[in-house]
Amino acid sequence: AQKVTQAQTEISVVEKEDVTLDCVYETRDTTYYLFWYKQPPSGELVFLIRRNSFDEQNEISGRYSWNFQKSTSSFNFTITASQVVDSAVYFCALRRHNQGGKLIFGQGTELSVKP
Amino acid sequence: NAGVTQTPKFQVLKTGQSMTLQCAQDMNHEYMSWYRQDPGMGLRLIHYSVGAGITDQGEVPNGYNVSRSTTEDFPLRLLSAAPSQTSVYFCASSYADGRPLHFGNGTRLTVT
Repeated sequence: AQKVTQAQTEISVVEKEDVTLDCVYETRDTTYYLFWYKQPPSGELVFLIRRNSFDEQNEISGRYSWNFQKSTSSFNFTITASQVVDSAVYFCALRRHNQGGKLIFGQGTELSVKP
Repeated sequence: NAGVTQTPKFQVLKTGQSMTLQCAQDMNHEYMSWYRQDPGMGLRLIHYSVGAGITDQGEVPNGYNVSRSTTEDFPLRLLSAAPSQTSVYFCASSYADGRPLHFGNGTRLTVT
């Protein structure tokens, strides 16, 4: 079975703190894709990053970084020096190879960054 | 570029009414899908399509129909609305396998 678990339902931090959002996935496939999406209070879903199962290289984009570890089936997301604009719900998602537009989402983590 | 366009943005239905949520994309994407978002449950797949004329069921298909007569359009039909279908609906498309999904801005549906 395929599953994505985001155990942290809500996280609250003060601006400039670092915060890590956890994502654990389950799949028996060897080829798959992992994603993070951001849903700000306005409601749209914004694509942040895509990783395929053969690329375990960590990625950094500005204040955002992602740590992909196949050994622990985790794909964690860290925001460094958080800002109020980072307040949003963040979703981790899994897409199997050759499965069309089927994305399996975690339940989401609501991040609140207070000034 | 319009991307993925969903209409309407908001809709209120009475139990038993039917309606169609529209979704169109102008990116020539083969894959399209519909999701519903409910509090604490993330997004769940309703139906999806891998090309014109091809559709399949997702995780929660009951009470919904889809068709894909063109590459651009993927409407979602509610046959007889029920309060349990109160949700936010998202349409998405992607270019190829493994590529990111592009989402529309959502339709907030309330069934009374």
